[in-house]
Amino acid sequence: GENVEQHPSTLSVQEGDSAVIKCTYSDSASNYFPWYKQELGKRPQLIIDIRSNVGEKKDQRIAVTLNKTAKHFSLHITETQPEDSAVYFCAASIIQGAQKLVFGQGTRLTINP
Amino acid sequence: DAGITQSPRHKVTETGTPVTLRCHQTENHRYMYWYRQDPGHGLRLIHYSYGVKDTDKGEVSDGYSVSRSKTEDFLLTLESATSSQTSVYFCAISEGQSSRPQHFGDGTRLSIL
Repeated sequence: GENVEQHPSTLSVQEGDSAVIKCTYSDSASNYFPWYKQELGKRPQLIIDIRSNVGEKKDQRIAVTLNKTAKHFSLHITETQPEDSAVYFCAASIIQGAQKLVFGQGTRLTINP
Repeated sequence: DAGITQSPRHKVTETGTPVTLRCHQTENHRYMYWYRQDPGHGLRLIHYSYGVKDTDKGEVSDGYSVSRSKTEDFLLTLESATSSQTSVYFCAISEGQSSRPQHFGDGTRLSIL
């Protein structure tokens, strides 16, 4: 089955700097890659997703890149702000009706003022 | 926010007792999912449903059963709870196919003593 590895497990950056979180997946059939942000005690919330027919997607300060050949995808956050502090999860799945997401272990991002 | 209600939000029970968690949605989405979240493991899929009375196993289904008698309700049952099932349980829903992401409920914190 699918396996998703996420790095780093913790990341601390200065406010205004960029943050990058990387994930690798094992199943070349996976075609959907969402990223979720989870604040302490809250639900995971989707921040951006990408499908395998696209190499990059941007939404304001957030971007995701996908390298299908290498089977890895990355989350990029630019101009970080204190409210970006949270745990971020990547996931992968094959879309065949149900989205059986396989998650990475999470990255705790801390933005230092 | 997606119309997903999980109940109870918190529960403490003893080893060997049966426990049922409820997920209720008002979105009329076809697909419903149960995940557990543990430190260092991200979220892991327990079971999912692709319609009324249609369910299937996820990656960590041992010790759990599910039922879906109505589109809006998806129940997760621990027949005989064990301490290893202490976790935070999240329900999620999706419309399925390629265009719509998965959205999560607020979670149930379950402690088994």
